[in-house]
Amino acid sequence: DQQVKQNSPSLSVQEGRISILNCDYTNSMFDYFLWYKKYPAEGPTFLISISSIKDKNEDGRFTVFLNKSAKHLSLHIVPSQPGDSAVYFCAASSQSGTYKYIFGTGTRLKVLA
Amino acid sequence: DAGVTQSPTHLIKTRGQQVTLRCSPKSGHDTVSWYQQALGQGPQFIFQYYEEEERQRGNFPDRFSGHQFPNYSSELNVNALLLGDSALYLCASSESTGFGYTFGSGTRLTVV
Repeated sequence: DQQVKQNSPSLSVQEGRISILNCDYTNSMFDYFLWYKKYPAEGPTFLISISSIKDKNEDGRFTVFLNKSAKHLSLHIVPSQPGDSAVYFCAASSQSGTYKYIFGTGTRLKVLA
Repeated sequence: DAGVTQSPTHLIKTRGQQVTLRCSPKSGHDTVSWYQQALGQGPQFIFQYYEEEERQRGNFPDRFSGHQFPNYSSELNVNALLLGDSALYLCASSESTGFGYTFGSGTRLTVV
């Protein structure tokens, strides 16, 4: 049972344009969501997070939007840069009673120069 | 400031053998979590160690076991290796809340 889904395995975007990565979840107990970025031969690195009490969180070029009613979140990268090319994982957790993140399968973003 | 260190980086084992993977957490972190990332999949939670005890476990068989030492470093042991155990094994450390992970670069295990 895939509780966190990233339905787009890959995405290509021109440099300078907006990248939008999507994530859906099924467990209504999730109350904290994160995005991680992973380059080849490296571990995932934390990018941005959002609590379920918010619907938007912004950090520089990165913005995460949360739609709780639709159980959907998205990561916007504006403007996209070639260095953003990586695999992006969405992850979710329930902050009470559990210490694990549930990860999606990832979206490979390629930013074309 | 050293981050999370994992060893070895790559490993090839034969089906049925046993393997031990090692992890040193980031300075200041006392909690270690292990994840398995199969090809084309996202990381899957194996277990988390805090105060030298397993605090939570994911859906992995008993062949997967772990240990945390007084210096907070940790080992992941896998017995009776199966071909399906081939994956990238990620260690993540955090503070005692158990969240706010810093991941290591992983150990690539290949079972032949």
